[in-house]
Amino acid sequence: QSVLTQPPSVSGAPGQRVTISCTGSSSNIGAGYDVHWYQQLPGTAPKLLIYNNSNRPSGVPDRFSGSKSGTSASLAITGLQAEDEADYYCQSYDSSLSGYVFGTGTKVTVL
Amino acid sequence: QVQLVESGGGVVQPGRSLRLSCAASGFTFSNYPMHWVRQAPGKGLDWVAFISYDGIDKYYADSVKGRFTISRDNSKNTLYLQMNGLRAEDTAVYYCARERGRYMDVWGKGTTVTVSS
Repeated sequence: QSVLTQPPSVSGAPGQRVTISCTGSSSNIGAGYDVHWYQQLPGTAPKLLIYNNSNRPSGVPDRFSGSKSGTSASLAITGLQAEDEADYYCQSYDSSLSGYVFGTGTKVTVL
Repeated sequence: QVQLVESGGGVVQPGRSLRLSCAASGFTFSNYPMHWVRQAPGKGLDWVAFISYDGIDKYYADSVKGRFTISRDNSKNTLYLQMNGLRAEDTAVYYCARERGRYMDVWGKGTTVTVSS
């Protein structure tokens, strides 16, 4: 039940900046629930990338940053590198569903 | 080190049951809420179920409510997912994940469930 919408794909050349949007509604992001981001490299389990909208866990490069405004959130990757090629998912909590929700996922391709 | 290891996946016929396990190590399991999250082949992440640290509170996605049951044994540092009435659309890799403040900070590598006749 993906109630958070992301673009299916984004791409950029090495060194460029790309952004991924995550659009929700008044029952999740717009209700004030935090947004979190995960990176899933090919064939591996998801890994926490950003928590509570804009915080990076230890070990995550500062090339990754997150923000939230209204009913949307964004993940930015600056100085894009080949190893950033992966699927990225946003996640929040939805009060009308009384459950956790993930975004539809975005595939990042490094050209 | 902090680790979650899932097991119990396999091939099962529609309508049958399966129980998944998730063994936790490297942290105080009884202090943390836990989740099951699944990913169908070629698809995105899909939250399945949540259980509080003490096992009292449990929440489920609508798609599995009434068929799946999440539980835990804190004495064994193990999380479970009992799946009954399996359907083809339950075919997925199932991950267990540790919760920290409504996000999942540690994930297992997953176990694959295939529902097919």
